[in-house]
Amino acid sequence: ETGVTQSPTHLIKTRGQQVTLRCSSQSGHNTVSWYQQALGQGPQFIFQYYREEENGRGNFPPRFSGLQFPNYSSELNVNALELDDSALYLCASSLTGLRTEAFFGQGTRLTVV
Amino acid sequence: TQLLEQSPQFLSIQEGENLTVYCNSSSVFSSLQWYRQEPGEGPVLLVTVVTGGEVKKLKRLTFQFGDARKDSSLHITAAQPGDTGLYLCAGGGSNYKLTFGKGTLLTVNP
Repeated sequence: ETGVTQSPTHLIKTRGQQVTLRCSSQSGHNTVSWYQQALGQGPQFIFQYYREEENGRGNFPPRFSGLQFPNYSSELNVNALELDDSALYLCASSLTGLRTEAFFGQGTRLTVV
Repeated sequence: TQLLEQSPQFLSIQEGENLTVYCNSSSVFSSLQWYRQEPGEGPVLLVTVVTGGEVKKLKRLTFQFGDARKDSSLHITAAQPGDTGLYLCAGGGSNYKLTFGKGTLLTVNP
């Protein structure tokens, strides 16, 4: 059984650029959630994808968008990057129906300069 | 807005000591999860509690869910340096997201 994997592990972008982060969910899991974790804070929910559709969204602007593919993998896209977008981006997979127990990947550290 | 408050925010203890960290909310959660996170890594799930008053043990770690399902505690007996990390509680509901606290940063000194 493979766990949740994310790529890349580290990324440096310039303010105003766009970025795509990728996530492969744990084997057998059909739901993917994305979280943003700023330094010294707990993870904040961005959105969740189930059956290739957005299934809930946190308090993030529309320039944060995502996709889920038929194999349940997912992408997080952020347009018009701002300095405050610098954070650890976490992907979590779960199996819908099993409460909200989630298993996290190692994260992508995004630095916006 | 559901919020989870964790205390203490920082804890530095000597190897062999016992400790308790707390997770409190004014909201009811259908489940509560505890994670441990190491620097630069994703959170690792330690336990899920779902029933008010539930107690779960994981080796030297004891987790308790409050009767009203609004609070939880994590007790570590005879802490070891390998227990060092950020401990996060997260509340889950019938909806889709987890609400996290800010975490307790634990340092166990040898």
